[in-house]
Amino acid sequence: EAGVAQSPRYKIIEKRQSVAFWCNPISGHATLYWYQQILGQGPKLLIQFQNNGVVDDSQLPKDRFSAERLKGVDSTLKIQPAKLEDSAVYLCASSLDLAGGNYGYTFGSGTRLTVV
Amino acid sequence: LAKTTQPISMDSYEGQEVNITCSHNNIATNDYITWYQQFPSQGPRFIIQGYKTKVTNEVASLFIPADRKSSTLSLPRVSLSDTAVYYCLVGERTGANNLFFGTGTRLTVIP
Repeated sequence: EAGVAQSPRYKIIEKRQSVAFWCNPISGHATLYWYQQILGQGPKLLIQFQNNGVVDDSQLPKDRFSAERLKGVDSTLKIQPAKLEDSAVYLCASSLDLAGGNYGYTFGSGTRLTVV
Repeated sequence: LAKTTQPISMDSYEGQEVNITCSHNNIATNDYITWYQQFPSQGPRFIIQGYKTKVTNEVASLFIPADRKSSTLSLPRVSLSDTAVYYCLVGERTGANNLFFGTGTRLTVIP
């Protein structure tokens, strides 16, 4: 089966600019997650969707980050305006359901964001 | 949310068995233990999940003692391609709290 698709693969922007990331989960996967991974650290959960509804966004910096999952399939994560400390890899993951199924969660390769 | 402790790094020679131990003293009754592998420039990849005793699949084994306060990921006969960061996660099977990643263990396989 096709994996979790993310684009773009790399992005360089200046601080205070806006940026958007796109994620296409595995077909049929109801649960979708966005993670932020800063260099040298483990991934940190930003937001979790179940179909097109938000399950958990307690870690999302809502003053500058927003995410949506229209129609319960693709999702976009936006940062506006970006700060230097937002430089990180943004990972999208999906799973069949909240329990992760028998094979856990499938991650995409991520978008590497550099804010200069 | 159970906190996990893993060694920061480990080295191993090719062909050896590698055991990575994770401590989770505050594990709750409903918590499962899950291990992920992450290569550079890729997202984490699910390796194995267990609740108690031993679980084995085609890539690894997971040993969990009766008190469940620790777990050991065992990789048989590692190769250079097993060089990666390995994360131990503890949490309920449902909900986002089962995907809290620590800093992981960086395994380097030496020729």
